[in-house]
Amino acid sequence: ETGVTQTPRHLVMGMTNKKSLKCEQHLGHNAMYWYKQSAKKPLELMFVYNFKEQTENNSVPSRFSPECPNSSHLFLHLHTLQPEDSALYLCASSPGGTGGALATQYFGPGTRLLVL
Amino acid sequence: AQKVTQAQTEISVVEKEDVTLDCVYETRDTTYYLFWYKQPPSGELVFLIRRNSFDEQNEISGRYSWNFQKSTSSFNFTITASQVVDSAVYFCALSEGRADYKLSFGAGTTVTVRA
Repeated sequence: ETGVTQTPRHLVMGMTNKKSLKCEQHLGHNAMYWYKQSAKKPLELMFVYNFKEQTENNSVPSRFSPECPNSSHLFLHLHTLQPEDSALYLCASSPGGTGGALATQYFGPGTRLLVL
Repeated sequence: AQKVTQAQTEISVVEKEDVTLDCVYETRDTTYYLFWYKQPPSGELVFLIRRNSFDEQNEISGRYSWNFQKSTSSFNFTITASQVVDSAVYFCALSEGRADYKLSFGAGTTVTVRA
């Protein structure tokens, strides 16, 4: 079974739509992450949740709104996006805490988002 | 400033050739971790290896090997006897100090192995 799953795998939305991306981890981890991967750019960390508390918001526009109801689920709510937001959105999880193994992140397959 | 540099954008080899991917990092912390991830066309980043800054031993896992040299701030990755299934984008990443949950990724190297 895949450790980290993401739905949907592909999403096309208009700039006025509201949609949500879902991530679920089956690894018993306590930290979850959202990344954005655009063409020709390094992966960008967007949000970090540690034990359900948001610990990092990397200057992400408010049209992206994360939600972490429990340690196993992470959502990214999307509202009035721009075409430049089109990218692969990756979710990851890690055991939580600091130090080597606890900080190692495991990724889901991503949601490929196209904003028209 | 870029903390992780992968100078090679693309590498193309014929099956069974060896390929080495370069990774140079920059940090002021004495405690840090280095990672390699593989991203096949399906999109998922697959964790390959983690190395901490106090362990400079090279590592071999099957056809994969890693050469960590603190003196040159490099953590290079070699695929021996490459196969078509090795075709992917490979990312080197760094996490530092007390914020070691934050990964700084390099830009990635696209490896294409031709049959």
